[in-house]
Amino acid sequence: EVQLVESGGGLVQPGGSLRLSCAASGFTFSTYWMSWVRQAPGKGLEWLASIKQDGSEKYYVDSVKGRFTISRDNAKKSLSLQMNSLRAEDTAVYYCAWGNNAFDIWGQGTMVTVSS
Amino acid sequence: IQLTQSPSSLSASVGDRVTITCRASQGISSYLAWYQQKPGKAPKVLIYVASTLQSGVPSRFSGSGSGTDFTLTISSLQPEDFATYYCQQLKSYPLTFGGGTKVEIK
Repeated sequence: EVQLVESGGGLVQPGGSLRLSCAASGFTFSTYWMSWVRQAPGKGLEWLASIKQDGSEKYYVDSVKGRFTISRDNAKKSLSLQMNSLRAEDTAVYYCAWGNNAFDIWGQGTMVTVSS
Repeated sequence: IQLTQSPSSLSASVGDRVTITCRASQGISSYLAWYQQKPGKAPKVLIYVASTLQSGVPSRFSGSGSGTDFTLTISSLQPEDFATYYCQQLKSYPLTFGGGTKVEIK
């Protein structure tokens, strides 16, 4: 069964850092682009970042450029999102996602709350 | 590339035909997907490359369009279809989603 499981969410103060992880199973992780998407409470979906199979290409939405870093470890079948300089507006459920022509598979999400 | 969905919400009855539109700010060929999301759950892909039904998705869902104008149609709304629907363009980075359409029970 294809599965993505996120972890690492929690409560963090403004200006703080958090690292999210996504464990993949059931597919050949190293052969696919991977992505992060978030959803603020009561709001729509926002694509954040994507990374190529070998990590050589990375793309980010402007709102997180310079603060968030996407990375992957193909040997461990793991995707990460390092989030620095967190702001209140980064409060959201964070999903990792995978697919060919679309985001076919999503994790269950992990909640990040940025508050003092 | 901005995606504008309309309407942002609608009320419909079981058995109704429902149409949701998604307009792109520039041409995206057929690089468009549609998702369904229920409260507290991750989105689920329904349609990709504008008109291809994802495996396991009921045939009452269909997608059409290319270039800048796209449509998601539910031919006969079922109780389990009450949810929020999003379009997404995968033509170029940054990838973007539409604002969503909430389908509610009339």
